[in-house]
This record gives sequence, C-alpha cells and structure tokens, in this order.
Amino acid sequence: QVQLQESGPGLVKPSETLSLTCSVSGDSVSSYYWTWIRQPAGKGLEWIGRINARGTTKSNPSLKSRVTMSLDTSKNQFSLRLNSVTAADTAVYFCARGGIGDLSLWGQGTLVTVSS
Amino acid sequence: QSVLTQPPSASGTPGQRVTISCSGSNSNIGRNFVYWYQQLPGTAPKLLISGNNQRPSGVPDRFSGSKSGTSASLVIRGLRSEDEADYYCASWDDRLSGSPYVFGTGTKVTVL
Repeated sequence: QVQLQESGPGLVKPSETLSLTCSVSGDSVSSYYWTWIRQPAGKGLEWIGRINARGTTKSNPSLKSRVTMSLDTSKNQFSLRLNSVTAADTAVYFCARGGIGDLSLWGQGTLVTVSS
Repeated sequence: QSVLTQPPSASGTPGQRVTISCSGSNSNIGRNFVYWYQQLPGTAPKLLISGNNQRPSGVPDRFSGSKSGTSASLVIRGLRSEDEADYYCASWDDRLSGSPYVFGTGTKVTVL
C-alpha cells in the first residue's frame, strides 16, 4: 500500500523559507513524477510544481522564481522549498504521486502558517 | 484566479443525478485531458476521474466524466450522502507560461 506523508515546520516567519518533505512508502521515488499542491483555508487547489525521477522540475509560473524541488532517492523522499514567504503562502500543502496526467495518490496534507 | 470555471455549488436529494460543469478554453480542456478530484470534508483530494472519463479502480460507476470541446462534465448518478464533498476539475494549460497544471474553481456538492 503506497502512502505519502508530508512533514516540516508548521510555522514559518515572513521572508523566510518554507521547507517541506514528502516521505514515500510502498513505492519508489525513482518511479513516476511527484507533485506539490497547496490549498489556502476555505479556498481552491493550486498546483505548485512537479519533479521527476531524474530531478527535472516544472513549476507554476506564479511561484517559479521562489520554488525549489529536489529528490532524495536514498531516503525515498522529495522536498519543496519556497523562499521569501508571505502570509499569502499560508495554506495546507499536499504532496502527490503523478505529474504528467492525473495525481493518483495524495498525502494527507500539512498546514503551514506564515506569521511572525 | 483559475482558468477553469465551475459552479460554486450543486445539490440534490439522495438518488438524484447531479451534474458539475467545468468550462475552459482551447489552451487547456480543448487540447488536454481533464481530471476530476473529490475532496471530502477535512481530507485530501482523491482522484475520481482520469483522462476525461476513466474511473480509477475503486471509484463507483455512479461517477462518470465526459468532455466536449472546451468543457467537461462530471455526473453523479444515484446521489448518496457520502458524496457530499468539494469537486475539482483539472487540466494542463498550454497557453500560460510554463504550461502549468490548473485546477477548477471547485464545486461544493450538498446532499439535501
């Protein structure tokens, strides 16, 4: 049974960097594409970007300059860094398997609040 | 602001049929597959429909998807109380810089 689990600080100060990790069990990050999505409270979903097994990334143009994604095959994890955060980056962040077509499996999500 | 437009809400009584529309353009739905996701209250989204009309294993056949031109639809037949959730369509958009994956505005389905 494949499972994804997001982890990282729940509180980040404005102008600092948000860092999240998605741990994958039951599958290998060397397969598939892997994606990050976020959802502000009470609002819709926003695609952040994806990374493939070779480490090639594709990001949402609205966030591109602030987003970095990476893959750690030794730990079977992939990560997201979003720099220069503001209150507008407060959201539940999800990781998901997939990235070319559908997002077939999602983590439970983790709330990140940007506040001083 | 999303490029895929959905009605904010839809409702029906148990057993009824509910249709959710997703309106896009030639740069997204018109040339790419449409996907549908179901988000039950307080949970992560779940893939409901892939590739316009394909149900992943485990998704009841009460759910069906279709696409025509630059619009897509999700139909729920035989509405059940457990179908009360938010539903999102999604597709790739080739017009926007970087061709991002875009989600619809979301539709909240209420079972009366």
